[in-house]
Amino acid sequence: GIQVEQSPPDLILQEGANSTLRCNFSDSVNNLQWFHQNPWGQLINLFYIPSGTKQNGRLSATTVATERYSLLYISSSQTTDSGVYFCAVDTNDYKLSFGAGTTVTVRA
Amino acid sequence: ETGVTQTPRHLVMGMTNKKSLKCEQHLGHNAMYWYKQSAKKPLELMFVYSLEERVENNSVPSRFSPECPNSSHLFLHLHTLQPEDSALYLCASSQESGDGYTFGSGTRLTVV
Repeated sequence: GIQVEQSPPDLILQEGANSTLRCNFSDSVNNLQWFHQNPWGQLINLFYIPSGTKQNGRLSATTVATERYSLLYISSSQTTDSGVYFCAVDTNDYKLSFGAGTTVTVRA
Repeated sequence: ETGVTQTPRHLVMGMTNKKSLKCEQHLGHNAMYWYKQSAKKPLELMFVYSLEERVENNSVPSRFSPECPNSSHLFLHLHTLQPEDSALYLCASSQESGDGYTFGSGTRLTVV
């Protein structure tokens, strides 16, 4: 099956810092999504981004499908940004394959 | 709430018990999923229902039995589980295209 690799595995930020998370995938994909899992386990869909760039407040994402990677940018990080960020892809249907995640800790 | 509701939030069960997890969505989605999230592992897709038909069963042991009575409800029936089945079980729904993927808050299951 398709391989999804996320980096870095862990990230510690000072409040107000910017950061970039990366997702590499091993095959062509139909769709790529970014999720945030908060410390209570809730997974929230951040972006549905098979290609191009999208922005939502302090978060933005870019997917370069031809080069099989996606980036998630967090600007002016806040403590509420802490949690695990997952990248997930599907190849020709709606069944997602998840990466192992990047654990982000934002310190006040 | 995200529009996908899971109950119970926490469950402790013995290895000989039978229990069920429930998931409900009111988003008008036509695909529903069960995922398992174990410590230090990526989320694993267990079952997929599309238009109330099971379209995926990812080599899940038969002690897990899904049921989808209609497009808004999904159950996961559990019996004779093992301690290694302890995990966070997440339900999700989406349009059949994958758009609008929405997760519930999960059921934290502990098998003793």
